[in-house]
Amino acid sequence: AQKVTQAQTEISVVEKEDVTLDCVYETRDTTYYLFWYKQPPSGELVFLIRRNSFDEQNEISGRYSWNFQKSTSSFNFTITASQVVDSAVYFCALSEASGGYNKLIFGAGTRLAVHP
Amino acid sequence: GAVVSQHPSWVICKSGTSVKIECRSLDFQATTMFWYRQFPKQSLMLMATSNEGSKATYEQGVEKDKFLINHASLTLSTLTVTSAHPEDSSFYICSARVGRNQPQHFGDGTRLSIL
Repeated sequence: AQKVTQAQTEISVVEKEDVTLDCVYETRDTTYYLFWYKQPPSGELVFLIRRNSFDEQNEISGRYSWNFQKSTSSFNFTITASQVVDSAVYFCALSEASGGYNKLIFGAGTRLAVHP
Repeated sequence: GAVVSQHPSWVICKSGTSVKIECRSLDFQATTMFWYRQFPKQSLMLMATSNEGSKATYEQGVEKDKFLINHASLTLSTLTVTSAHPEDSSFYICSARVGRNQPQHFGDGTRLSIL
């Protein structure tokens, strides 16, 4: 069965610190997709990244970077030099290629608080 | 690109009222839209998957007659909470995507409060 685990419920850091949000997933499919979404206090979910199971290359986008390791079934997200605007709930999600509709399986989310 | 508009943002109404929430993909055609419910400090719970021109697929435990979904066009899906009661109060979020395995793009959500 598919499952996404975000073990860190809440993280609190001071501005300019680096922070890593962990995501561990379970799936029996060989083809699947992993996502990260940000939900700021206003409520909308913002898409950050999609990664397919055949692409283990790490990705960097500005202060954001993602580390995908199939060997450990992890897809971790690092924010470098965090800012107050990064305060939000971050969700990791999994979508399997097989089956109908490819619905997203969300983790419980990690609430990040960045303090000035 | 990939903008999803959800309306209304806030609804406060009396118990027994039916409430309709609209979800529109503004700059793309969405063959599939999804409806989620989110309780405070919790993750998103998928309620149903909506496909244009066909009946919605509901998740286990979601009452079909309570939460009516219509996906009449490639850019519009609606969720109607029928005869709403205080326990239906929640944050409802829709999403839309262009195709299979593509990212879902989310609306801003609707905060529903039933008095």
